[in-house]
Amino acid sequence: GAVVSQHPSWVICKSGTSVKIECRSLDFQATTMFWYRQFPKQSLMLMATSNEGSKATYEQGVEKDKFLINHASLTLSTLTVTSAHPEDSSFYICGGASNTGELFFGEGSRLTVL
Amino acid sequence: DAKTTQPTSMDCAEGRAANLPCNHSTISGNEYVYWYRQIHSQGPQYIIHGLKNNETNEMASLIITEDRKSSTLILPHATLRDTAVYYCIVRVSGGNAGNMLTFGGGTRLMVKP
Repeated sequence: GAVVSQHPSWVICKSGTSVKIECRSLDFQATTMFWYRQFPKQSLMLMATSNEGSKATYEQGVEKDKFLINHASLTLSTLTVTSAHPEDSSFYICGGASNTGELFFGEGSRLTVL
Repeated sequence: DAKTTQPTSMDCAEGRAANLPCNHSTISGNEYVYWYRQIHSQGPQYIIHGLKNNETNEMASLIITEDRKSSTLILPHATLRDTAVYYCIVRVSGGNAGNMLTFGGGTRLMVKP
């Protein structure tokens, strides 16, 4: 299957700082990328959908000013958690949609906010 | 997208076939059945998908009932590395609006030696 790479795979930061997570589709162009969040022992919850060159669409309850998503190219989307707090600690996963409709996921990024 | 129902957990002996069921009684005619799995602390991995015909690839087989209201994912010879949470998802394939995947609780498969 197609390859999606996330970086960093894990990050620890202090409360109040901002953290950027990168998501790259390595061998295909993803016109649409999805960002999910997963808390321990729970399923994946969609946070937002981003299309290349346009503003992201956020799911209900997800603050767009806190979780900034940029999808500047067909192979790169970034999620920035601004002014992170301990409750933002989670496993963040991105997925890229191929032109055949399949969705391929990155390895995930574990954020721990102290 | 139609909702799915899966057992919370299942055990399987190593080397035996693992049969994971999924009910999707409200599936629409243009919705596909997708299976993904998530090994601990990793992103979901695509396994297989199908519309109405049975499908097979190097990882698994997908059996869809004739009325499409349920399906079974078959791992023919389960190994310890197949221990994971398996998600059955139904969704429209293709097109930006239909590409989102809605994850349910999944089935936690434990392969035992």
